[in-house]
Amino acid sequence: QVQLVESGGDSVMPGGSLRLSCAASGFRFSDYYMSWIRQAPGKGLEWVSSISPTSTYTNYADTVKGRFTISRDNAKNSLYLQMNILRAEDTAVYYCARGGHSHFDNWGQGTLVTVSS
Amino acid sequence: QSALTQPASVSGSPGQSITISCTGTSSDVGAHNYVSWYQQFPGKAPTLMIYDVTNRPSGVSNRFSASKSGNTASLTISGLQTEDEADYYCCSKTSSSTYVFGSGTKVTVL
Repeated sequence: QVQLVESGGDSVMPGGSLRLSCAASGFRFSDYYMSWIRQAPGKGLEWVSSISPTSTYTNYADTVKGRFTISRDNAKNSLYLQMNILRAEDTAVYYCARGGHSHFDNWGQGTLVTVSS
Repeated sequence: QSALTQPASVSGSPGQSITISCTGTSSDVGAHNYVSWYQQFPGKAPTLMIYDVTNRPSGVSNRFSASKSGNTASLTISGLQTEDEADYYCCSKTSSSTYVFGSGTKVTVL
């Protein structure tokens, strides 16, 4: 069965950096778009970024463009999100999700990122 | 990109039908047939309920159905059950190939 396991969430100071990882299993990772979606505490869902199967295409929400970078390693069945210049408003649970061409059909359990001084 | 507009809450009695609306613009909901719906229980990850406007993934009850007209999409839950009490989010691909989620609707079974 499809399994997505996020890691790397932590508490960081404003202006800091963090790298999230997502380990995928149970499907041919290299065939799928992958995405990051976040949810601030008590708030709704916000799409963050998506990447195509061979990394040819990437896309970002305006709120993170220029600060976050999505990448993947198909040999390691892994998805990443490099987050720089973190702000308080980036505080959220970050979900790794399979998909990004039209919908998101499987989600991980999420990893919490807290940005606070 | 502003969030798609959903009612904050919808309620119904067991066995009734309820409909959740999701209103966007010609740049998102009206631009594509890439509208999806997600169910989320407290403290849990969302799960896909509907994709490409009307399609149900395998394993999703046929009590869930959806449609779209112009810039507004809708999710209907028929034969409401207590287990349907959750938050529901719509999502649309945009004309810029980004995604926008709805503001979310809390469904309460009375």
